[in-house]
Order: sequence, then structure tokens, then C-alpha cells
Amino acid sequence: DSGVTQTPKHLITATGQRVTLRCSPRSGDLSVYWYQQSLDQGLQFLIQYYNGEERAKGNILERFSAQQFPDLHSELNLSSLELGDSALYFCASSGGITDTQYFGPGTRLTVL
Amino acid sequence: SQKIEQNSEALNIQEGKTATLTCNYTNYSPAYLQWYRQDPGRGPVFLLLIRENEKEKRKERLKVTFDTTLKQSLFHITASQPADSATYLCALDSGYSTLTFGKGTMLLVSP
Repeated sequence: DSGVTQTPKHLITATGQRVTLRCSPRSGDLSVYWYQQSLDQGLQFLIQYYNGEERAKGNILERFSAQQFPDLHSELNLSSLELGDSALYFCASSGGITDTQYFGPGTRLTVL
Repeated sequence: SQKIEQNSEALNIQEGKTATLTCNYTNYSPAYLQWYRQDPGRGPVFLLLIRENEKEKRKERLKVTFDTTLKQSLFHITASQPADSATYLCALDSGYSTLTFGKGTMLLVSP
């Protein structure tokens, strides 16, 4: 158990809908990262927050947004969903610069 | 553009042998490199970190080398066991403590 929690575990929704994925980092970790993993693309970095502020952006679509709250939990919002957004979404946390990342169990999103 | 390459073909070895996985990269000058293990449907788990000024790092049956001239890291598992079967991902520092991951190599250890 990494100490990172993600909810929900599974999510099935329809195209055009909007969903919110939630992540709670390990106790004391200030950084939260979001990743998307699909079979053909591998693990793709989406966005990083550090202590409530956006710190780095990766291949995140404009339809996706995220935020980190004062209690350090984070939410990833995915809107206008398309079939191609079906993937595993992972959240990871770390304690600081160059620290290792601890991954949550993931949310499996299926868009029908 | 930056690229990380890991062998996409699964590596099949027998129990007790040494598994060697390769990670090559181009257009990167990472300050460090990490290896993670991922089991199907689960999140990656950190294994080892090696910095650019380190040639080799060991942890129990695991050994990682980092050659910044060749732009290559090798990951070794000695005395491999069926429980070592998983996908192994290499990840490079991309700045601001973010990581860029390779697609991973699946290792299958047969009894």
C-alpha cells in the first residue's frame, strides 16, 4: 500500500459527459502528479501540483483540468469525454524535488 | 524530440537466471533515472533511483547502471523468481521533479 488513495476505482460513462477523479496524497507529501495510461501510449504525464500551485504541465488536453486543495487532495476533471479518453488514470505523490513518486491504485475510466 | 526506448518485446527467462532490461534515451540530459515495477491493473512501484554522477546502484537482488555517454541504463535482477514477473518501467527526470516514463518491458520468469 503506497498511502496514496484514489476514488472511484472504476468509472463508466458516456461520450460527452464530465467526470471528476479524486486523489489523496501520502501524508506529508506536497506534490501531486496525474498520469494517463492507455495500452498504446504508456504512462503519460498530465499535470503536477505542488502545495496548491500548478507546477508543471505535460500532455494534458484543454478538456481536462485539475486542482489541488488546501488539504492537499487533488481532483482531475475530464469533460466532453471521447471514446479515446478511456484509460487508467493514476495519481502519484512525492515529498519534494527528485523524490520518488508513490502511485495510487488508479481509476479505470471507460467511455462508451 | 526527447525519446525513451525500452524493449517492447517481453523478456522470457528461467527462474534463477539474471534478467537484464535496457533503457535507452535520446535528446535528454537527465539528472537522475528511476526504475519502477508495474503489475497488471496496478500503479507503478518505485524500485531504484540512480543519479547522473553514479555509475551503479544496488538493492538486494537489483542492480542498475547508468551510462550518460551511451545514454543508457541497464536494470538487472539476479536469481530471478516467478514473483519478479511484471512490467518494468524506466523513468527520466524531465525537470521540476516530473518524470517521463518509457513504455516498459514485460518480464516473464518461468519456474
